[in-house]
Amino acid sequence: GAGVSQTPSNKVTEKGKYVELRCDPISGHTALYWYRQSLGQGPEFLIYFQGTGAADDSGLPNDRFFAVRPEGSVSTLKIQRTERGDSAVYLCASSPGWGSTDTQYFGPGTRLTVL
Amino acid sequence: GENVEQHPSTLSVQEGDSAVIKCTYSDSASNYFPWYKQELGKRPQLIIDIRSNVGEKKDQRIAVTLNKTAKHFSLHITETQPEDSAVYFCAATNQAGTALIFGKGTTLSVSS
Repeated sequence: GAGVSQTPSNKVTEKGKYVELRCDPISGHTALYWYRQSLGQGPEFLIYFQGTGAADDSGLPNDRFFAVRPEGSVSTLKIQRTERGDSAVYLCASSPGWGSTDTQYFGPGTRLTVL
Repeated sequence: GENVEQHPSTLSVQEGDSAVIKCTYSDSASNYFPWYKQELGKRPQLIIDIRSNVGEKKDQRIAVTLNKTAKHFSLHITETQPEDSAVYFCAATNQAGTALIFGKGTTLSVSS
C-alpha cells in the first residue's frame, strides 16, 4: 500500500514568510508525528497527534510553529515568520495504534530552506 | 533531559566484515528501541527493533541486543555488503511514550 507522503518535497522561502508543510499518513494510522532533521543530526521530535488532538507538542521550539490534524488523517505543520535557523528537513511519521512501541513509518520529508 | 548517545559517529569496514554500533539511553522508562537506516536524501527506514521484554532479536544478517540494566543497546551487522553503506540511527521512546529520541547517527561505509 501507499506509504507516508509529504508535500512539497522542497520549499524555498524568504526570512519572515509563512509556510505550510503537508503530511499524508498511511491510511488508517491513528498516530502521527512531526520531526525535524538538521544536517548531520538525527530526527528531533516536534509534535505527536493521536487522532485529531495534539497529545504532545513539547518539541515545538516556539510559538511560531503550529500543527493541525483536523480530521485525524492529513496534518499540516505551519511556521510563521520563518527564520534562517528553521532550515532543515521536516519529517512526518505515522504508526497504526496507540502504543508507544508501535513502529513509526517515515515520509520522505520536506526540505525547507529559508533565505 | 532525555538523551540517546550513539557511537561511533563513523565506521568503515571491508565487505564481509561485521559492524557494531552502540547506543546508550538515559530514561529507564524507555521501552522500545528501533534502528533506522537512512540513505542520502531518503527517508529513514526501519531495519530492526526491540522491545524491553526481550534481550536479543535477529533478522538474517542484522541483530540487536538490549541491556536494560546498563541502559544500552547495540546493532550488529554481519557479512557486510556495499549496499549496507548508509547512516544508521538508534532511537528510544521518551518517558511519556509519545515520541522517539534519536541518536546522532553512525555513517557506515562498506568497501569492496
